[in-house]
Amino acid sequence: DAKTTQPNSMESNEEEPVHLPCNHSTISGTDYIHWYRQLPSQGPEYVIHGLTSNVNNRMASLAIAEDRKSSTLILHRATLRDAAVYYCILRGHNTDKLIFGTGTRLQVFP
Amino acid sequence: DTAVSQTPKYLVTQMGNDKSIKCEQNLGHDTMYWYKQDSKKFLKIMFSYNNKELIINETVPNRFSPKSPDKAHLNLHINSLELGDSAVYFCASSQFPSRALPGVFYEQYFGPGTRLTVT
Repeated sequence: DAKTTQPNSMESNEEEPVHLPCNHSTISGTDYIHWYRQLPSQGPEYVIHGLTSNVNNRMASLAIAEDRKSSTLILHRATLRDAAVYYCILRGHNTDKLIFGTGTRLQVFP
Repeated sequence: DTAVSQTPKYLVTQMGNDKSIKCEQNLGHDTMYWYKQDSKKFLKIMFSYNNKELIINETVPNRFSPKSPDKAHLNLHINSLELGDSAVYFCASSQFPSRALPGVFYEQYFGPGTRLTVT
């Protein structure tokens, strides 16, 4: 299973953009990049996913490096509610198995 | 409307006891999962079921036995509880079919978790 590397923690001020990096140098050509987040005392929730192209949805944007060895989750304007642990996960194209790493704990300050 | 629900939310029990955690999803999904999150917050998949059939079994001790009476329910029964079983257990579900379609995305929806404490 391909692994991901993320910083343990990051900080942001409210209403500022946040860029959460993820390295996945052993990614295979058919691995999808997923991001989930876990708010305090809750189960994980889906944020965004992508394969090669950058992706945008109502929650965030995902910027994928051209060589796919890294990606960045972008929260355009952080809110207090965005304080969570963010997990970058690689998933093979024919499996539903999610392998969670240690994630990045994001703190958002007012 | 609760998409994925678990009961109980908290469970405190003694070593050696047998306990069950129930999970129900009202999303019409075909696949359900159990994850364990230990004290270091490391989240790991334990089992997955597709239409009541076991698909993933991640080297979990035999004391853990998932049971799926129908595709909307996946219960987790734990025999002879040990201190190391203390963790938060999350149930999840997705539309992932028995044969995945290339390029189709299947989001996993997680329940609120059950905090199990074994004393």
